[in-house]
Amino acid sequence: KNEVEQSPQNLTAQEGEFITINCSYSVGISALHWLQQHPGGGIVSLFMLSSGKKKHGRLIATINIQEKHSSLHITASHPRDSAVYICAPGTDKLIFGTGTRLQVFP
Amino acid sequence: DAGVIQSPRHEVTEMGQEVTLRCKPISGHNSLFWYRQTMMRGLELLIYFNNNVPIDDSGMPEDRFSAKMPNASFSTLKIQPSEPRDSAVYFCASSGGRGNEQFFGPGTRLTVL
Repeated sequence: KNEVEQSPQNLTAQEGEFITINCSYSVGISALHWLQQHPGGGIVSLFMLSSGKKKHGRLIATINIQEKHSSLHITASHPRDSAVYICAPGTDKLIFGTGTRLQVFP
Repeated sequence: DAGVIQSPRHEVTEMGQEVTLRCKPISGHNSLFWYRQTMMRGLELLIYFNNNVPIDDSGMPEDRFSAKMPNASFSTLKIQPSEPRDSAVYFCASSGGRGNEQFFGPGTRLTVL
């Protein structure tokens, strides 16, 4: 069993839809990162969180350390949100999920 | 700031050759990470440094791989000898300290023929 499970693996949406990506992990950690990988390959850090909820613009990330679960939400999705979203539990030594490929159509 | 700088951006080499990948972290950052991404295995941490000292190299695949950080503004990842299975995108990232957000470089796409 993988240490990090993301769901769904692939996701298509219409512009404006609310998106949720889930991440469950089995390792004991005190923080978790959400990363975005663009179609061109570049990786951007979206969030690092250790408890509760964080919000940046239309993106919201939540984490429950006790339940070993995190979610990434995108409100009012847009085609420019199309990317692979990667969950990475850990503080410095990160373990990576396989990613969720999101495509948002106009 | 220019962000994390990696060179070269693309490298094509033949099996058995030595390959050296370079990384310049963001100025002032004191943690540096080397990652590898392949289709089969996804993203993997190879090694990370804190204040130029290697903290965890358990992800380094084998003795053919070595990494150094001679100063706060430069790190190298060397593969000698290279093999076709080393073909991957190698990312360098830096952060402002342990437990902080990581900033990724553009990656080096390595192809070993």
